[in-house]
Amino acid sequence: DTGVSQDPRHKITKRGQNVTFRCDPISEHNRLYWYRQTLGQGPEFLTYFQNEAQLEKSRLLSDRFSAERPKGSFSTLEIQRTEQGDSAMYLCASSLEEVGNEQFFGPGTRLTVL
Amino acid sequence: KNEVEQSPQNLTAQEGEFITINCSYSVGISALHWLQQHPGGGIVSLFMLSSGKKKHGRLIATINIQEKHSSLHITASHPRDSAVYICAVKNFGNEKLTFGTGTRLTIIP
Repeated sequence: DTGVSQDPRHKITKRGQNVTFRCDPISEHNRLYWYRQTLGQGPEFLTYFQNEAQLEKSRLLSDRFSAERPKGSFSTLEIQRTEQGDSAMYLCASSLEEVGNEQFFGPGTRLTVL
Repeated sequence: KNEVEQSPQNLTAQEGEFITINCSYSVGISALHWLQQHPGGGIVSLFMLSSGKKKHGRLIATINIQEKHSSLHITASHPRDSAVYICAVKNFGNEKLTFGTGTRLTIIP
């Protein structure tokens, strides 16, 4: 399968714990995006990378959130000291700049903070 | 910030009916996406368009740049089309997508 993959698919954690999610983009895609979707809402932009450079961060991305893409391939999104309000679906997408920049989405990681 | 509105929010129809879902946005865009999301969360990109019309199987997407409006049509709808359909726009000079809240479509056999 050459699509975008995310791991884990589901994560249940207790408030105050740290969690880390991984996204593997489509091979050769140089852009990678993170979005968050709460129940009944459309996704909201969190951040995006071009290669290893993080080019934009949303105000939604508080200082408890950090994203990395160290080698320009996979990316991680870490949430420290989780809160119940962090419960959401975290979606990753990737695109190739040279081909119209259409974004392809992964299956998402559903986070539940108890 | 671009505001993206979709209508209707919920739509229930009988199998075989012609379906139309609408999307309006407030400022100029470089591209508009139609996405499909099934229960469980995964999002599939259906179309990306910046002008005119695109067709793929029973799905048709149109966009009117002057009116800042797009429509997604489904012909000969089928229960497997039941999903949430989301419109998302990309502004000029900005790589992020701004999403609508989605239209929940249910097709009854």
